[in-house]
Amino acid sequence: KQEVTQIPAALSVPEGENLVLNCSFTDSAIYNLQWFRQDPGKGLTSLLLIQSSQREQTSGRLNASLDKSSGRSTLYIAASQPGDSATYLCAVKTSYDKVIFGPGTSLSVIP
Amino acid sequence: EPEVTQTPSHQVTQMGQEVILRCVPISNHLYFYWYRQILGQKVEFLVSFYNNEISEKSEIFDDQFSVERPDGSNFTLKIRSTKLEDSAMYFCASSRDKSFGELFFGEGSRLTVL
Repeated sequence: KQEVTQIPAALSVPEGENLVLNCSFTDSAIYNLQWFRQDPGKGLTSLLLIQSSQREQTSGRLNASLDKSSGRSTLYIAASQPGDSATYLCAVKTSYDKVIFGPGTSLSVIP
Repeated sequence: EPEVTQTPSHQVTQMGQEVILRCVPISNHLYFYWYRQILGQKVEFLVSFYNNEISEKSEIFDDQFSVERPDGSNFTLKIRSTKLEDSAMYFCASSRDKSFGELFFGEGSRLTVL
């Protein structure tokens, strides 16, 4: 059974710092991995999608990597801003139909 | 930019009442999903739907739940007799591609069962 974990559970950094969020999954048989952002009481905003055959994806200040064999993905945020404060979720697609979410990392960027 | 829309944004109901949550997926998407998130917990898969039938469902999706696409645009989740533990945020999602497609989520419908 696929399990997805995220470390750390919460992170507080000063504005301008670069940071790394970690996601681990137990079964390497995945179709893709997607990173989402969730603001309090809001929906899920897709940030990056990495297919199982890819190693990384970049969008602006965000870079996500995938090491399928070790069951790990990282989300790198460069030059963090207060507007980046949110919960970041990783989700792995384990079958045609099902995506399994991690518990999230709550990020706070202090001005 | 196309988006998934959900209504209502918040519904309060009495235990035992029926609830219908509505979603309008992105127009060229063919695969539709419901997820839920109990306050402070993980986002959990409920059901996937393609070609007017359920593709996969989780253990949570018991006989009290049903889904349908009544008119080619709306995608609905019905809870027949709500329980206190059904209180959660319910998210609709859609995807253009079955295996490798990106999931797009709506803003969610918050259900409160009293």
